[in-house]
Amino acid sequence: AQSVTQPDIHITVSEGASLELRCNYSYGATPYLFWYVQSPGQGLQLLLKYFSGDTLVQGIKGFEAEFKRSQSSFNLRKPSVHWSDAAEYFCAVGEGDFNKFYFGSGTKLNVKP
Amino acid sequence: DAGVTQSPTHLIKTRGQQVTLRCSPISGHKSVSWYQQVLGQGPQFIFQYYEKEERGRGNFPDRFSARQFPNYSSELNVNALLLGDSALYLCASSLSLYEQYFGPGTRLTVT
Repeated sequence: AQSVTQPDIHITVSEGASLELRCNYSYGATPYLFWYVQSPGQGLQLLLKYFSGDTLVQGIKGFEAEFKRSQSSFNLRKPSVHWSDAAEYFCAVGEGDFNKFYFGSGTKLNVKP
Repeated sequence: DAGVTQSPTHLIKTRGQQVTLRCSPISGHKSVSWYQQVLGQGPQFIFQYYEKEERGRGNFPDRFSARQFPNYSSELNVNALLLGDSALYLCASSLSLYEQYFGPGTRLTVT
């Protein structure tokens, strides 16, 4: 069965420091991969997506993610974190010919001043 | 352009009652999906509707049902509410496969 694992429940980084959020997936075919961000009381905002092609994808707000098939990973990175990046981040994989997404359990990011 | 809208924002119900949640997709989007997000977890897929037909269903009991109207808006119904149904219910609309845009959600509390 398809699954998404985000091994880090909470991460705290200092403002200006680099960030990497981990995501591992289990999926038999070529995955469609996504990162979403959720601020308190808000819905999900799409940061970036990977369908095929270049394994390094750029997203909004300065985020990027790298697809590594050999490691079944799709880690999210940002070179310099801003206080406004504090939120919860979800990795997701899409399945089939309709919009069924499997989400990870999320990583809460705290940013220290 | 207006995004996905959901109503109500918050809802408190008692065990055994029934609830209806509403979603209006982005203009031009014909597909609507519903997700349940329990506190501390990621969203779980409930349903997808496209052109008023159910295209996919997640692992949820028959107490959960949905429909899509000719204007592509959608309703999610949950019967015989349980405490465990307390969650944020998210609606997402899409124009094409895998391009989902989420609404702010409806927070349902069952007491």
